[in-house]
Amino acid sequence: QVQLVQSGAEVKKPGASVRVSCKASGNTFTDYYIHWVRQAPGQGLEWMGWITLKSGGTYYAQKFQGRVTMTRDTSGSTAYMELNRLRSDDTAVYYCASQFGSGLYWFDPWGQGTLVTVSS
Amino acid sequence: QSALTQPASVSGSPGQSITISCTGTNSDVDGYNYVSWYQQHPGKAPKLMIYDVSNRPSGVSHRFSGSKSGNTASLTISGLQAEDEADYYCSSYTTSSAVFVVFGGGTKLTVL
Repeated sequence: QVQLVQSGAEVKKPGASVRVSCKASGNTFTDYYIHWVRQAPGQGLEWMGWITLKSGGTYYAQKFQGRVTMTRDTSGSTAYMELNRLRSDDTAVYYCASQFGSGLYWFDPWGQGTLVTVSS
Repeated sequence: QSALTQPASVSGSPGQSITISCTGTNSDVDGYNYVSWYQQHPGKAPKLMIYDVSNRPSGVSHRFSGSKSGNTASLTISGLQAEDEADYYCSSYTTSSAVFVVFGGGTKLTVL
């Protein structure tokens, strides 16, 4: 089983960029998919995209294409999500979550979440 | 507006059973057996409770069960306990090219 630990809270100004990290530990030999899901204050969950830790393949939600970039480090244990041109409505808790293998459509476990606040 | 429709709130007394519905379309819930359910306590990350409509991950109580009929999936919690009070989200694979999965808007469960 893999464990996910995310970076700390961020405060950014409108127009800036933010990068959130998600470090996987435990059984990382399998090519996990790391998904990013965000949750605005008092709102529901919104899927943003995924990256595969070993091969680095990505797939982004149409809504975020052109504004989000997901990468991973060369060791294949840490995933990053960078969101550009931040707006106030990007204020949310950003979660990473793992998908154990292809052909699965559920996420387990999740990181603890990273609060990103966008404010002038 | 979420792609899957859930009731905003449900409630029940300790020991009772409740069911939360999740309605989609033939592009998601009705078309595939890839519905999952997540429990989220305030300030915490979501936790997987049910996957592939009716499967429980190891460690999840047998009081939680899932089912599906047509375009509506359901999560049933039997023998309600105070610790079950949380938000619950359904999710489904979708054929939409815009996203990988779609979520419901969430249901607040109150244990009276």
